[in-house]
Amino acid sequence: EAQVTQNPRYLITVTGKKLTVTCSQNMNHEYMSWYRQDPGLGLRQIYYSMNVEVTDKGDVPEGYKVSRKEKRNFPLILESPSPNQTSLYFCASSPVGLYKETQYFGPGTRLLVL
Amino acid sequence: RKEVEQDPGPFNVPEGATVAFNCTYSNSASQSFFWYRQDCRKEPKLLMSVYSSGNEDGRFTAQLNRASQYISLLIRDSKLSDSATYLCVVTSYTGRRALTFGSGTRLQVQP
Repeated sequence: EAQVTQNPRYLITVTGKKLTVTCSQNMNHEYMSWYRQDPGLGLRQIYYSMNVEVTDKGDVPEGYKVSRKEKRNFPLILESPSPNQTSLYFCASSPVGLYKETQYFGPGTRLLVL
Repeated sequence: RKEVEQDPGPFNVPEGATVAFNCTYSNSASQSFFWYRQDCRKEPKLLMSVYSSGNEDGRFTAQLNRASQYISLLIRDSKLSDSATYLCVVTSYTGRRALTFGSGTRLQVQP
């Protein structure tokens, strides 16, 4: 089954404790992206990757890191989480023809930073 | 000003009603347009793409007006299962190749 998976789905942590949210897709998509969703603000892009070893900042990259060592995986790293990073996070992937193709979203990760 | 603006709603309509949502976008260079559906904080899923010529998929009709920079979604014969948040999404030809989302319009169809 074609899908995007994220782990963990739910996470409660404390300020400053490094964490990683994994994202994996099995559709051989070149493009992957991370979004966060907050009430009233919609989804905002954090980072994106056009292909292996090619990553770049989105709208709200501060406090986040990413890596793309393999095509299928695109982990999101919070080196020192803060309460303002409490949010719902979505990973997404698509073929390179972004403008004609839908993006496929993972199920989301709910993060609470205390 | 937000790049993509939507009325947050909620729109409360009875089953069988026809409901329309509008969305405006500010970037005249926007190239592709979509409606996504999101159920109760689950992942967004593509509902339909939007073309200048208009397109229809069953009970759903989408329209794009480039001159006025707005997009519409019409739902006919609303079902209880249509209750969700509808996200207006645009893309632009920038290096970032991101989808820009509106904050969504919530629809509640009532029996």
